[in-house]
Amino acid sequence: NAGVTQTPKFRVLKTGQSMTLLCAQDMNHEYMYWYRQDPGMGLRLIHYSVGEGTTAKGEVPDGYNVSRLKKQNFLLGLESAAPSQTSVYFCASSAEVEIYGYTFGSGTRLTVV
Amino acid sequence: EDKVVQSPLSLVVHEGDTVTLNCSYEVTNFRSLLWYKQEKKAPTFLFMLTSSGIEKKSGRLSSILDKKELSSILNITATQTGDSAIYLCAEISGGSNYKLTFGKGTLLTVNP
Repeated sequence: NAGVTQTPKFRVLKTGQSMTLLCAQDMNHEYMYWYRQDPGMGLRLIHYSVGEGTTAKGEVPDGYNVSRLKKQNFLLGLESAAPSQTSVYFCASSAEVEIYGYTFGSGTRLTVV
Repeated sequence: EDKVVQSPLSLVVHEGDTVTLNCSYEVTNFRSLLWYKQEKKAPTFLFMLTSSGIEKKSGRLSSILDKKELSSILNITATQTGDSAIYLCAEISGGSNYKLTFGKGTLLTVNP
């Protein structure tokens, strides 16, 4: 019973450290997304991908990089973490957004101290 | 400027009450509007609305789109404590038919 799997689920980083969040989906979806969710801010799009080998910037891309080398995986990287990147990160994927909407992962809670 | 605006941002009710959550959206090349429920973890899909005036229902939840008013409402009747959650509204619009733009959400708390 897979769907969209995010790892890790929790992480604490020190300012300046780097890390990679992994999103994996087994539904053969073309589209994948990274959102961050902060209190009172809703879900904001960081980066997205419309297919293997493609990536594009969303609403709040600064401080993040992404890669989609394989169709099933979408990686989100923080090169030098900052306290402002403390957030809950959600990955989502979709085949036909207008028909099925998104399937979300369970989220990664990241704290940068 | 926010493209999708939800109101109220938070709401506290008692079990058995009926609630109405609001969502307004931008008109430019509107395609569809979606509602999600988020409890402790990932948002889960509730409804997708494309046509004006057609109500979608699922149990005690229902939703309708009003294209004239550029808005949608989500109704929950006979609320239960399990309805406590953040309710998110999202729009698909323009040429980006694969991206959702979310509102900030409505935090609903149902007290026993």
